[in-house]
Amino acid sequence: SQQGEEDPQALSIQEGENATMNCSYKTSINNLQWYRQNSGRGLVHLILIRSNEREKHSGRLRVTLDTSKKSSSLLITASRAADTASYFCATNDYKLSFGAGTTVTVRA
Amino acid sequence: GAVVSQHPSWVICKSGTSVKIECRSLDFQATTMFWYRQFPKQSLMLMATSNEGSKATYEQGVEKDKFLINHASLTLSTLTVTSAHPEDSSFYICSAPRGSSSYNEQFFGPGTRLTVL
Repeated sequence: SQQGEEDPQALSIQEGENATMNCSYKTSINNLQWYRQNSGRGLVHLILIRSNEREKHSGRLRVTLDTSKKSSSLLITASRAADTASYFCATNDYKLSFGAGTTVTVRA
Repeated sequence: GAVVSQHPSWVICKSGTSVKIECRSLDFQATTMFWYRQFPKQSLMLMATSNEGSKATYEQGVEKDKFLINHASLTLSTLTVTSAHPEDSSFYICSAPRGSSSYNEQFFGPGTRLTVL
């Protein structure tokens, strides 16, 4: 079943701007992962954040996790046209449960 | 990073026929693989967990007799859609976790687009 819910569903920004998307979930987790999917393609793993971590960085990506609120956010800084994709959070309690995803469009 | 491949990348078949989709881990062994289905503009829904050497575990609502899973080796899992119907048309994606733990990041195949006429 789908546990994560993402917000917003769609986001359109100008190149160079930051993009922030949020994910809320319902049950306890071992870790939470963010993935990117380009149209009609497989998923690419972005970041894994464990339940005892609060923030994690990878290049232009910053992920936060608030287990008390059961929420996570993904920030993409200085966006590029190549960041145009759908982004999914997935909670991991042995198997992944994906959120509905946020479609990000970066305008050149 | 680790690579997971799928074959075929797309397939068109007639209603009533069976279609086999392969998922291979190319440079690592995977005792567990996962099969997902994704409808247009929707999220991935886990269908089943494929276990090497034992029976697959199906999610609620997924018919095991319709979606046959065989994990014959540590690098290959197959999903066979039996007696396919137009409503089975979807994007099927497999994944395998890094290392031996399913708590790790998953490596996804590129997906197989199935169209049933």
